[in-house]
Amino acid sequence: GAGVSQSPSNKVTEKGKDVELRCDPISGHTALYWYRQSLGQGLEFLIYFQGNSAPDKSGLPSDRFSAERTGGSVSTLTIQRTQQEDSAVYLCASSLNWRTGGARAFFGQGTRLTVV
Amino acid sequence: AQTVTQSQPEMSVQEAETVTLSCTYDTSESDYYLFWYKQPPSRQMILVIRQEAYKQQNATENRFSVNFQKAAKSFSLKISDSQLGDAAMYFCAYRSAYGGSQGNLIFGKGTKLSVKP
Repeated sequence: GAGVSQSPSNKVTEKGKDVELRCDPISGHTALYWYRQSLGQGLEFLIYFQGNSAPDKSGLPSDRFSAERTGGSVSTLTIQRTQQEDSAVYLCASSLNWRTGGARAFFGQGTRLTVV
Repeated sequence: AQTVTQSQPEMSVQEAETVTLSCTYDTSESDYYLFWYKQPPSRQMILVIRQEAYKQQNATENRFSVNFQKAAKSFSLKISDSQLGDAAMYFCAYRSAYGGSQGNLIFGKGTKLSVKP
């Protein structure tokens, strides 16, 4: 597609339920990043992918969070047993590669997750 | 670890005037990139301007320019001839030049810019 696409745009879920957030990066972009933006805060790095592998998972806030990427394209961020503190906007970004620090990162419009 | 600090939670500017947003960062690396992103209510982060640390010349993009002071680890954004459409959250971000495990962007907490007509 023309840009990074995220779905759903908004998600309201009950505490304790599992949710899946989807990111469809720009075609050909090998690097993909997930960030979390809590109300009034900056962006917190969660995880990134080089192709299908995630060499650094240290940013995931707990073992309830997991992510995968298949076919070097679509990525899914899964939150199990959601808690109210998981409420935030989850942003996905992709860039052409991960080796060049100056490579421009393109962001999606995010998924606003609300846990009630 | 690298950190990015934006000391101005909110700023306000009159339409057509100039405003400067501050950003400082901390790093032990010598080569890196600095960015300013704009986030309007639509939530999508939009790249405003990018600066390579090895370049002494300050980056400019139309009405947007930066004052990059490498020794002071300062990276401010100047918006000239402010327009109503400039109203948004602005985030300063750092990224290692070496990519890899440090290839993620490190963001400040943002500055909310209001533009008064």
